[in-house]
Amino acid sequence: EPEVTQTPSHQVTQMGQEVILRCVPISNHLYFYWYRQILGQKVEFLVSFYNNEISEKSEIFDDQFSVERPDGSNFTLKIRSTKLEDSAMYFCASKQLDSNSPLHFGNGTRLTVT
Amino acid sequence: AQSVTQPDIHITVSEGASLELRCNYSYGATPYLFWYVQSPGQGLQLLLKYFSGDTLVQGIKGFEAEFKRSQSSFNLRKPSVHWSDAAEYFCALNTGTASKLTFGTGTRLQVTL
Repeated sequence: EPEVTQTPSHQVTQMGQEVILRCVPISNHLYFYWYRQILGQKVEFLVSFYNNEISEKSEIFDDQFSVERPDGSNFTLKIRSTKLEDSAMYFCASKQLDSNSPLHFGNGTRLTVT
Repeated sequence: AQSVTQPDIHITVSEGASLELRCNYSYGATPYLFWYVQSPGQGLQLLLKYFSGDTLVQGIKGFEAEFKRSQSSFNLRKPSVHWSDAAEYFCALNTGTASKLTFGTGTRLQVTL
């Protein structure tokens, strides 16, 4: 069964550095998402992306964050200047156009900001 | 605004016992409802989903859930748990084709042998 893949599985970075988290959604999916889960907390929506533009974003997704689909297969999340509080597990997800299709999640990237 | 409540943070059951994990939602119309499971260090795996129709939905790994509109609930059940079911379970809701998923805080299931 096709799956969403995320790299790297673990990223350690220093405060103030830029990080790019990478995702390869399932190939025939058209909606893409990023979620995050701070340790011990609930999974939170960050942003959704469709037709090469952001369709919805949360208040967490401020100017430090950006998303891009640089080619036909990758979907990236960039954090320009990381803060300690950005430490979390970041999940990428994708879904088909069909309204009855669910989100499929990747295994996540654990980001640690020191 | 929609919300999801999972009142039980942590549940412990014996292997072979039955299981029910509670989920309540708040939304003005009929939502799309989901249960996901997260094993340690893993991503979120879809267990089952409810969009419309039959209010009792079957999922993978022997799980089922029942949508009760009158109680705004979507509780997850399994008649006999296995040690491998130990994980975190998340109930989630969305309201349309591309809308975001709103997650509950999760219930951590521990299974004793």
